[in-house]
Amino acid sequence: EAGVVQSPRYKIIEKKQPVAFWCNPISGHNTLYWYLQNLGQGPELLIRYENEEAVDDSQLPKDRFSAERLKGVDSTLKIQPAELGDSAVYLCASSVRGRDEQFFGPGTRLTVL
Amino acid sequence: AQKVTQAQTEISVVEKEDVTLDCVYETRDTTYYLFWYKQPPSGELVFLIRRNSFDEQNEISGRYSWNFQKSTSSFNFTITASQVVDSAVYFCALMGAGAGGTSYGKLTFGQGTILTVHP
Repeated sequence: EAGVVQSPRYKIIEKKQPVAFWCNPISGHNTLYWYLQNLGQGPELLIRYENEEAVDDSQLPKDRFSAERLKGVDSTLKIQPAELGDSAVYLCASSVRGRDEQFFGPGTRLTVL
Repeated sequence: AQKVTQAQTEISVVEKEDVTLDCVYETRDTTYYLFWYKQPPSGELVFLIRRNSFDEQNEISGRYSWNFQKSTSSFNFTITASQVVDSAVYFCALMGAGAGGTSYGKLTFGQGTILTVHP
């Protein structure tokens, strides 16, 4: 069974530039999550989707971050414009249902210069 | 509010030693789930175990074992006869169910414990 796929694995941009991350969850998983992981810390939830509906986006900085999950499968997370403090690893995860174990992708390491 | 505390920032052991990673949690939910994840140097979080709040049975899986004690709000993880490949960051996480079990999905992670196993 294929795992959660994320791309790109690494991204380096200059501040104020836009950036987008893509995630393809495990087939059959209805719930998709985006997490932010700063160096030396545990992941923190940004947004959770049940199918195509964002059911928890309370931690998403909506002034510069946006996300979508069209057709309830793949998802894209966007930052516009990026700031120096956005440098981190962005993790995507999926689960069959909200209460189940979450399976994580390899993450996208973003560096903002 | 949910909170997970992993007091051990770093642990260093020699191969074949046993090692226990501590995890203490706080929640007001009566129903919740506890998890352990492993993050090797490659960066991908690997799911290890999930336990329900109403099931306090300890569990053993190969060299891994977990001790869940509701009375002390702890969910500790022991690796027996550690190996170099066990070197990684280990995260304990909590998922509360909220009123009527409607708030599933949000994992609250601890800060992680860096385990280094030396040959």
